[in-house]
Amino acid sequence: SQQGEEDPQALSIQEGENATMNCSYKTSINNLQWYRQNSGRGLVHLILIRSNEREKHSGRLRVTLDTSKKSSSLLITASRAADTASYFCATGTLVYGGATNKLIFGTGTLLAVQP
Amino acid sequence: DAGITQSPRYKITETGRQVTLMCHQTWSHSYMFWYRQDLGHGLRLIYYSAAADITDKGEVPDGYVVSRSKTENFPLTLESATRSQTSVYFCASKPSGSGEQYFGPGTRLTVT
Repeated sequence: SQQGEEDPQALSIQEGENATMNCSYKTSINNLQWYRQNSGRGLVHLILIRSNEREKHSGRLRVTLDTSKKSSSLLITASRAADTASYFCATGTLVYGGATNKLIFGTGTLLAVQP
Repeated sequence: DAGITQSPRYKITETGRQVTLMCHQTWSHSYMFWYRQDLGHGLRLIYYSAAADITDKGEVPDGYVVSRSKTENFPLTLESATRSQTSVYFCASKPSGSGEQYFGPGTRLTVT
């Protein structure tokens, strides 16, 4: 079962513009994470936001979390051609009595940044 | 080099054959995971392991077997490969107390 659903599925912008991707999920979570995947490569962790946080920043990334609406957004400011990649949200829930974090990934947003 | 590696990177096999995908990490992370990535499905968890000799099923475990006799290795075996198991397989690891997972480069498996 898919937990996270990203929107839009694909996004094309010009270099320098901001890119916003949204993620909706269905059940209670411990945290929500965003990952990036360049074509043909593994996923790279970008940022983690805990369920008791509402906003988090990391460099040009800004993530928001609204647990009442079960949604999150990822904003990339001043985008660059190198930001071209697929972006996935992943919701984390605790298993093993809270000892670990099991992730369920969404289907991703394909971002293309035109130079 | 420290990190997480997968082998082989590409594999073509025939229906019914047994295939083992290898995953090795040098960080001594407690947790390891196997995912498959298919168009339209994102990444789906196959199996995960909290420590050596402790494994548990994920979302899509049928047709797969895992073992973890050593902390650093987490092989995934397809006992009798089927065409529906054609996919890209990713291994990941994470340390205790961290939510972030570290992914390997993936293995592209084609079952003919």
